[in-house]
Amino acid sequence: AQRVTQPEKLLSVFKGAPVELKCNYSYSGSPELFWYVQYSRQRLQLLLRHISRESIKGFTADLNKGETSFHLKKPFAQEEDSAMYYCALSGYTGRRALTFGSGTRLQVQP
Amino acid sequence: EAQVTQNPRYLITVTGKKLTVTCSQNMNHEYMSWYRQDPGLGLRQIYYSMNVEVTDKGDVPEGYKVSRKEKRNFPLILESPSPNQTSLYFCASSLSGGAPYEQYFGPGTRLTVT
Repeated sequence: AQRVTQPEKLLSVFKGAPVELKCNYSYSGSPELFWYVQYSRQRLQLLLRHISRESIKGFTADLNKGETSFHLKKPFAQEEDSAMYYCALSGYTGRRALTFGSGTRLQVQP
Repeated sequence: EAQVTQNPRYLITVTGKKLTVTCSQNMNHEYMSWYRQDPGLGLRQIYYSMNVEVTDKGDVPEGYKVSRKEKRNFPLILESPSPNQTSLYFCASSLSGGAPYEQYFGPGTRLTVT
C-alpha cells in the first residue's frame, strides 16, 4: 500500500527565513512524487514534481529514496507563499491514483 | 481557458435526498477522478475513470456512484446522502491514466448533509 506522511500540520516562519516542509512516503516500487499547493480561495494546483527537477517560485524538492523523503524547501520565504501544501505520490498502478498526505499549512509572517 | 468545472460549489441538503455533483473538463483528458477532503486526512480518492464507460472504485467509494458517458463529464452521485458525507469534494482530470501526468483540479464543492 502507498502512504504519504506530512508530520507538520502547521509551519509558521517569518518572511525571509528558510522553509522546509517535510514529506515521507511508503511505496514498494519507484513512485512519482508531487507537491501540490492550495492558496486561499483557489483550487489545488501542481507546484512541482520530482521527475522535472525544476524550481518553481523558488521551491525545490529532492527525492531521497534511501530516506523515502521528498521534502519541499525554499531558502527565503515570502508572505505570498502562505498556503496549504500537499505532498502526493503516484505509483505506476492501473488506477493512477494520487495518494495525498494530510497537508501542511505554511504561514509566513511579516 | 483550460479548466475543470464543478457544480454546485456549495450545497446543503438533508439525509436521504439524492443529489448529483457535476464535473466537466474541456481539455480532452482521458482520466478523471473524484476526491474528498477532510480535516487531518488530506484528499482521498472516491472513484476514478480511465476513459469513457470505464470507472472503478478508489479508496472510499461507499455511498457514492459515478458515470462516464461522455469524455468531458464525470458526475458524482449520492443516492442517499448521510451526515458522514459532509465534506469538500474535488474533481480532477489528467491527460492519461497510463502515466503520472499532472492532475488538474476543479474549484471544489462544499457539501453539508444535515
